[in-house]
Amino acid sequence: DQQVKQNSPSLSVQEGRISILNCDYTNSMFDYFLWYKKYPAEGPTFLISISSIKDKNEDGRFTVFLNKSAKHLSLHIVPSQPGDSAVYFCAAWENAGNMLTFGGGTRLMVKP
Amino acid sequence: DARVTQTPRHKVTEMGQEVTMRCQPILGHNTVFWYRQTMMQGLELLAYFRNRAPLDDSGMPKDRFSAEMPDATLATLKIQPSEPRDSAVYFCASGLEESSPLHFGNGTRLTVT
Repeated sequence: DQQVKQNSPSLSVQEGRISILNCDYTNSMFDYFLWYKKYPAEGPTFLISISSIKDKNEDGRFTVFLNKSAKHLSLHIVPSQPGDSAVYFCAAWENAGNMLTFGGGTRLMVKP
Repeated sequence: DARVTQTPRHKVTEMGQEVTMRCQPILGHNTVFWYRQTMMQGLELLAYFRNRAPLDDSGMPKDRFSAEMPDATLATLKIQPSEPRDSAVYFCASGLEESSPLHFGNGTRLTVT
């Protein structure tokens, strides 16, 4: 049973617009959440993270929102650029680091 | 620029053969993870080491997979015997401490025919 789910396998957005990637989780013991970006033939690279004590974290064009009551997080990219086209994974740490669980990924395509 | 190094990048082998994948974690990192990426499952956790001790390998088929850390600079993942369903990309990742971002290698793409 998947504890971290990304229900949209793909997303297509026009350059300059906002990209919103969503992630849902079921385990209430998750206390730290991360987003990774993955290009073909490369390993995932860390993008941004958020602790469960916060509801928002921002880094340049990237903002992660956490709604603990809904067990939902989202990644906003504004403005989207063609170089953002990649697969995005959300991930969650359980209990200060015993397990890092990944979602299935969302493929983002930003059209020029 | 420190990075996790995985070898080989690609491996094609026949069913029944032994496969060994190697990972050099970033110097100073004390956690090492092995993940497998398949089309259907995303990134599946296979094994997890902290300070070279295995903490979790529940995601690994025990009868054919084994993971070890002979020393702090080397982690290995072995499959014996390999099967076509093992075909996937295997990633190694290392981290400085729990609840911190992991750094991934570029993976080993395994094809078992």
